Amino acid sequence: AQSVTQPDIHITVSEGASLELRCNYSYGATPYLFWYVQSPGQGLQLLLKYFSGDTLVQGIKGFEAEFKRSQSSFNLRKPSVHWSDAAEYFCAVCPRGGTYKYIFGTGTRLKVLA
Amino acid sequence: NAGVTQTPKFRILKIGQSMTLQCTQDMNHNYMYWYRQDPGMGLKLIYYSVGAGITDKGEVPNGYNVSRSTTEDFPLRLELAAPSQTSVYFCASSPPTTSANEQFFGPGTRLTVL
Repeated sequence: AQSVTQPDIHITVSEGASLELRCNYSYGATPYLFWYVQSPGQGLQLLLKYFSGDTLVQGIKGFEAEFKRSQSSFNLRKPSVHWSDAAEYFCAVCPRGGTYKYIFGTGTRLKVLA
Repeated sequence: NAGVTQTPKFRILKIGQSMTLQCTQDMNHNYMYWYRQDPGMGLKLIYYSVGAGITDKGEVPNGYNVSRSTTEDFPLRLELAAPSQTSVYFCASSPPTTSANEQFFGPGTRLTVL
């Protein structure tokens, strides 16, 4: 079955530390890949997306993600976390072929310590 | 340009009552979606639409109905509210494309059924 796994429910990092959020997917073929961020009480905002080409993609707010086909992973990274990055982060996939039905992971809640 | 707007922001319903969650987008997007978000469960697709007059079921459609009479509006109807429908509901839209694309989210409606 198609699925998206975010193995970390909660992550706590200190401000200025590096961050990596994990995302693994299970699909027959490489889907389109996305990372969204949700601040408290808000809707979701797109951080970055991977469709094809360079496997390292840059996003907004200093985030980047690397697609690794061999590991079926699309991990999100940031070299230095800011207190304003505290939020919930969702990995999402959309199969190629025109269904446009996204599947979201269960999310990782990030806490940033001052 | 307001993007995706949702009303109401909060609502409390009694079991068996009905209501309509409103969603409007002003970006001329063809695709629109309704999700529900439950704690620790990520977002689940309820219904989606690829254009006016066309709707289809998502992963969790039971207990809900939708219509799409215009490009701008995509209301979600709950006919007989049940406690299991307590959730945060998000509407989203995306532009027409031959591949997947970013979804733009509204701020959400927090619904409690007692």
